[in-house]
Amino acid sequence: AQTVTQSQPEMSVQEAETVTLSCTYDTSENNYYLFWYKQPPSRQMILVIRQEAYKQQNATENRFSVNFQKAAKSFSLKISDSQLGDTAMYFCAFMKPYNAGNNRKLIWGLGTSLAVNP
Amino acid sequence: EADIYQTPRYLVIGTGKKITLECSQTMGHDKMYWYQQDPGMELHLIHYSYGVNSTEKGDLSSESTVSRIRTEHFPLTLESARPSHTSQYLCASSEYWADTQYFGPGTRLTVL
Repeated sequence: AQTVTQSQPEMSVQEAETVTLSCTYDTSENNYYLFWYKQPPSRQMILVIRQEAYKQQNATENRFSVNFQKAAKSFSLKISDSQLGDTAMYFCAFMKPYNAGNNRKLIWGLGTSLAVNP
Repeated sequence: EADIYQTPRYLVIGTGKKITLECSQTMGHDKMYWYQQDPGMELHLIHYSYGVNSTEKGDLSSESTVSRIRTEHFPLTLESARPSHTSQYLCASSEYWADTQYFGPGTRLTVL
């Protein structure tokens, strides 16, 4: 069974600095999808970034980038130039490939609570 | 910005009452999901649907029920609310062959 582990329950960073959130996962699949979702105090879950396992290039979205290490089954999120609005719970998630059919559910980590301090 | 809506946003209700949490999306997505999330905790999938008249139970056992009569609408019902049902309920949707789920703002339910 797939599992997703986020080993940092809480983190903090100063505004304008860079922070990295870690995520590891366990799977026997070769192709799959990885996600980082953000849940601010307002509670709406928002997709931050998505990575397809068959792509070697790390995904980036503005100040957000990932370090995807397939062999190590690691998928860390780097936030550059942290802003106060980045304060949120960050969840790492895994999904099986298309050929898994109706069994394609998101497997969630426990989350990392990130506080950006002024 | 995803167009997925949940009502009510907050609900405080007494034990034994029947409640329905509404979820609607205007994106034409086939797949819809209900998650339960306690404060500061991970999400647990309680129900999902792959299309009209399709509903399945998720990984976490729940006393709630769902229906999918229209593509855009996926309500969740609790026949008799109990304090153990106090939680946040998140609705999400996705295209059938897609992997990205879009979330609604959530309903925070408190049962007294």
